[in-house]
Amino acid sequence: QLVESGGGVVQPGGSLRLNCAASGFIFSSYGMHWVRQAPGKGLEWVAFIRPDGSNKYYEDSVKGRFSISRDNSKNTLDLQMNSLRAEDTAVYFCAKGDSGGHYGVDFWGQGALVTVSS
Amino acid sequence: DIVMTQTPLSLSVTPGQPASISCKSSRSLLHREGKTFLYWYLQKPGQPPQLLIYEVSNRFSGVPDRFSGSGSGTDFTLRISRVEAEDVGVYYCMQSIQLPLTFGGGTKVEIK
Repeated sequence: QLVESGGGVVQPGGSLRLNCAASGFIFSSYGMHWVRQAPGKGLEWVAFIRPDGSNKYYEDSVKGRFSISRDNSKNTLDLQMNSLRAEDTAVYFCAKGDSGGHYGVDFWGQGALVTVSS
Repeated sequence: DIVMTQTPLSLSVTPGQPASISCKSSRSLLHREGKTFLYWYLQKPGQPPQLLIYEVSNRFSGVPDRFSGSGSGTDFTLRISRVEAEDVGVYYCMQSIQLPLTFGGGTKVEIK
């Protein structure tokens, strides 16, 4: 199970931190993603972190503004979002990497809505 | 980035009839280790996406056998042998051979 929290309304230029609590699997064994979906739109990948947190990858438009991190002792995944823009408004899904050893996704959380508006 | 192109944009299907969705990638999804990293998801209204098919043709745990995937290289197809009312939603293909992960634009399936 993946449960996101921390969504809400924030002004442009503001910050927000999303959290994802994982359970039911060995969290430290899997890479984790954040994927977002703007209202009425398709899916857009945001960031990925390897199982041990050694490497992190970001979509170009969020590089330098967003930071993905994980705490394997607490089975949690975070997304720190700074300098937020209106175009960052979306539902943010925490997603579990699959066991294929590559970047596939096999399970998604319910999502957290982030609204960037003045 | 790899561009994923899905067709059609939408489908209206009579229950019990088959349906087919196409997905094309801008470069081959065949990895040197022999796997092809193409996934299919269904997003039902108000829900997160759920995995249907991984690595082109492998049904995920619990997915009914009326769903099947095929294809190779850059051309892929998801087939539903007999559409049921619970299959409504938006279907997405996704490539995971490289980051950024990229998704098709989605195919909305509705019941006639």
